[in-house]
Amino acid sequence: DTGVSQNPRHKITKRGQNVTFRCDPISEHNRLYWYRQTLGQGPEFLTYFQNEAQLEKSRLLSDRFSAERPKGSFSTLEIQRTEQGDSAMYLCASSDSTGAGANVLTFGAGSRLTVL
Amino acid sequence: GESVGLHLPTLSVQEGDNSIINCAYSNSASDYFIWYKQESGKGPQFIIDIRSNMDKRQGQRVTVLLNKTVKHLSLQIAATQPGDSAVYFCAPRQDSGYALNFGKGTSLLVTP
Repeated sequence: DTGVSQNPRHKITKRGQNVTFRCDPISEHNRLYWYRQTLGQGPEFLTYFQNEAQLEKSRLLSDRFSAERPKGSFSTLEIQRTEQGDSAMYLCASSDSTGAGANVLTFGAGSRLTVL
Repeated sequence: GESVGLHLPTLSVQEGDNSIINCAYSNSASDYFIWYKQESGKGPQFIIDIRSNMDKRQGQRVTVLLNKTVKHLSLQIAATQPGDSAVYFCAPRQDSGYALNFGKGTSLLVTP
């Protein structure tokens, strides 16, 4: 396993377009998290899955944001009708759900979105 | 909500010196703390963690100190190396929670 993989690494889109990011977590991890990071700021929590269940989504930034993890493995984050303010790095992380590993998130390298 | 702040947004140290990065938190219910390191173009990387029933924990070249009385923790890096140059985040969390709360981070620059 090579860690958490995110694709694409970079996405440039025009305002109003929809974008989708994919995250492949560490295979034995059943928790998956999405964070957003803007320049000069720390990561901001968006949503979280345990297996295929989305256990927290109230912190998604608007109803234009949605995430899925249909089979409890990879996840997608979709942003509809993108706005310039959506430009940011979108980070995915995964972790175990039990023991000490539940507390340690392993992050991917992120997907950078630029909305023109 | 949680407020996480860092005393210094940037820190410049000479190679070989020790570094101390400070972090204040506001939620007294936080009982678990993680330090992450983020290098340019990469995602945050776990460094060390500490539970609230401890006041000190040591790792390889790193030590975290926790003072719950004043809601403050620090990360000490011994013999700082150029590869330590990065942004460092402390992330408090309530043990029953799932979301880490990152502050702005401290940028550490190691000069030769």
